[in-house]
Amino acid sequence: DVKVTQSSRYLVKRTGEKVFLECVQDMDHENMFWYRQDPGLGLRLIYFSYDVKMKEKGDIPEGYSVSREKKERFSLILESASTNQTSMYLCASSRKSNSPLHFGNGTRLTVT
Amino acid sequence: QKEVEQDPGPLSVPEGAIVSLNCTYSNSAFQYFMWYRQYSRKGPELLMYTYSSGNKEDGRFTAQVDKSSKYISLFIRDSQPSDSATYLCASSPMDSNYQLIWGAGTKLIIKP
Repeated sequence: DVKVTQSSRYLVKRTGEKVFLECVQDMDHENMFWYRQDPGLGLRLIYFSYDVKMKEKGDIPEGYSVSREKKERFSLILESASTNQTSMYLCASSRKSNSPLHFGNGTRLTVT
Repeated sequence: QKEVEQDPGPLSVPEGAIVSLNCTYSNSAFQYFMWYRQYSRKGPELLMYTYSSGNKEDGRFTAQVDKSSKYISLFIRDSQPSDSATYLCASSPMDSNYQLIWGAGTKLIIKP
């Protein structure tokens, strides 16, 4: 069974801090994704990666960056956290571009 | 107007009832339609995947797409308390995760 593991379930950070959210998948999937989930807005794609060291912007990349140095690991970076980045962050992976997404259980980030 | 609209609910029904969950979409280019289920404090998991119009059945679940009215539905027969979750619809113009557009999700509560 595919497992997508996000390093933290809950994080509280201060405005201006640099924040790292880590995601690891154990099924050798090609594609990895970072979404944020907010009430009433659904899932919005921040960044995705279809190969090691490759990254593509999603719908809301502003204020975020990503890193994929190894196939199994995809990191989301908030260079300078702001209160409007308080959200649930979901990492996902898929074997191919049209394969089902497998999600982690999310990281709830609060920026104060 | 959002490209995929979904009533957030909550929708509360008694155990054993037939549940109807619905989404509307505005982009006539959408060809691929998905339903994901998300339990509390968990990531979404794929329930149903359909292409173009028509019905698809899997056990107690039936997904229906009406492209003429841009309407997608998920029916749950013989609903169980374990079906209580948030149901997310998603659509894409291509058979690709890179362009998925998500509804906001409908919270479903099945009362024993």
